[in-house]
Amino acid sequence: RKEVEQDPGPFNVPEGATVAFNCTYSNSASQSFFWYRQDCRKEPKLLMSVYSSGNEDGRFTAQLNRASQYISLLIRDSKLSDSATYLCVVNTNTGNQFYFGTGTSLTVIP
Amino acid sequence: DAGITQSPRHKVTETGTPVTLRCHQTENHRYMYWYRQDPGHGLRLIHYSYGVKDTDKGEVSDGYSVSRSKTEDFLLTLESATSSQTSVYFCAISETGSMNTEAFFGQGTRLTVV
Repeated sequence: RKEVEQDPGPFNVPEGATVAFNCTYSNSASQSFFWYRQDCRKEPKLLMSVYSSGNEDGRFTAQLNRASQYISLLIRDSKLSDSATYLCVVNTNTGNQFYFGTGTSLTVIP
Repeated sequence: DAGITQSPRHKVTETGTPVTLRCHQTENHRYMYWYRQDPGHGLRLIHYSYGVKDTDKGEVSDGYSVSRSKTEDFLLTLESATSSQTSVYFCAISETGSMNTEAFFGQGTRLTVV
């Protein structure tokens, strides 16, 4: 079983739409959670960390449900520049290993 | 941006030849990682290091070896390259094992084995 599972999409949405991505993880001992963004042929970059209480950064909201081992990312008012692949990342903090989902592809259409 | 440099950025090599990829950091971070990224698989950990001369295997370590003789350098070696090792290789660094400490990535090395 994979450590982190994501719906690969693709998600094609119009500008201004709200889109949600989901992710599940298998290791209940996981302690740190992140969403990364990866543009085509570029390296992954941190979008935001995910905290137990949920957190928001502008148009982006991340939620964590430890009981269900589920992480989500909500993007409001989508922009063309949001087009990218979004990676769900989990760290058990034991050995400081980061486990990546396969990524969800988003294309925002004019 | 975090100071991580991968070299080379692109390489084409023949099957059976040895290949070494270099990752250099200027952040003095303790942890360094080598990942490969392939369509349908996402990023998979090859090897990682938690200090000078301290390394361990990841989930796809077969056919790869690593060395870390200095804090700033982490080398990935393919002893005898195979076509299945054609991939994009990313180096990453992380400061500590504390909660919510993120990983920073290098720009990647695109390796083609022919």
